[in-house]
Amino acid sequence: GAVVSQHPSWVICKSGTSVKIECRSLDFQATTMFWYRQFPKQSLMLMATSNEGSKATYEQGVEKDKFLINHASLTLSTLTVTSAHPEDSSFYICSARDRDRGLPSPLHFGNGTRLTVT
Amino acid sequence: AQTVTQSQPEMSVQEAETVTLSCTYDTSENNYYLFWYKQPPSRQMILVIRQEAYKQQNATENRFSVNFQKAAKSFSLKISDSQLGDTAMYFCAFMPGTYKYIFGTGTRLKVLA
Repeated sequence: GAVVSQHPSWVICKSGTSVKIECRSLDFQATTMFWYRQFPKQSLMLMATSNEGSKATYEQGVEKDKFLINHASLTLSTLTVTSAHPEDSSFYICSARDRDRGLPSPLHFGNGTRLTVT
Repeated sequence: AQTVTQSQPEMSVQEAETVTLSCTYDTSENNYYLFWYKQPPSRQMILVIRQEAYKQQNATENRFSVNFQKAAKSFSLKISDSQLGDTAMYFCAFMPGTYKYIFGTGTRLKVLA
């Protein structure tokens, strides 16, 4: 159980276009999901906390107008990279916590999305 | 600021041997949770083990165990009988009352045949 599905696994897009990444909790409900960015051989950097039915909370230094987050249901959060540029190329990972298991239920991670902007 | 430090960027161990990965953290909170995650080449984050700060007993999961020293703010991971499949990046994570994870910089472990 506790599977998080992230799609697509990889995507290549042209500079200036937008890309949407989906994160779904398949067998549990998640009121909160987290979006991370990981550069090669580095740790995970939290970008934002996605809250179902309300606005996302962005970490300092993350442009909310560039990285649009929508958490429309208890099982789906999306991250849209708008007007992508080569410097946005990275590995993006989502995670979610089962709301029905309370704390300290650990985070479950998606498989990640490798974004390459040309 | 709450921080997590993994002082060993890379480590290697012979198959079947034991290896210990170190992790220290800094916090003023009393109640929190600690985790070790494994990220193999597939880049999927896999939970290895977790520890509640209020529990004095060290957590164990099969070949994986931790040495939790709350006063020293230390949370090391011991892998016994290392296997080739243990080759991965290992991240220590700290979860304070904000419920967000704070990750360490990671330790790249290579198990040698």
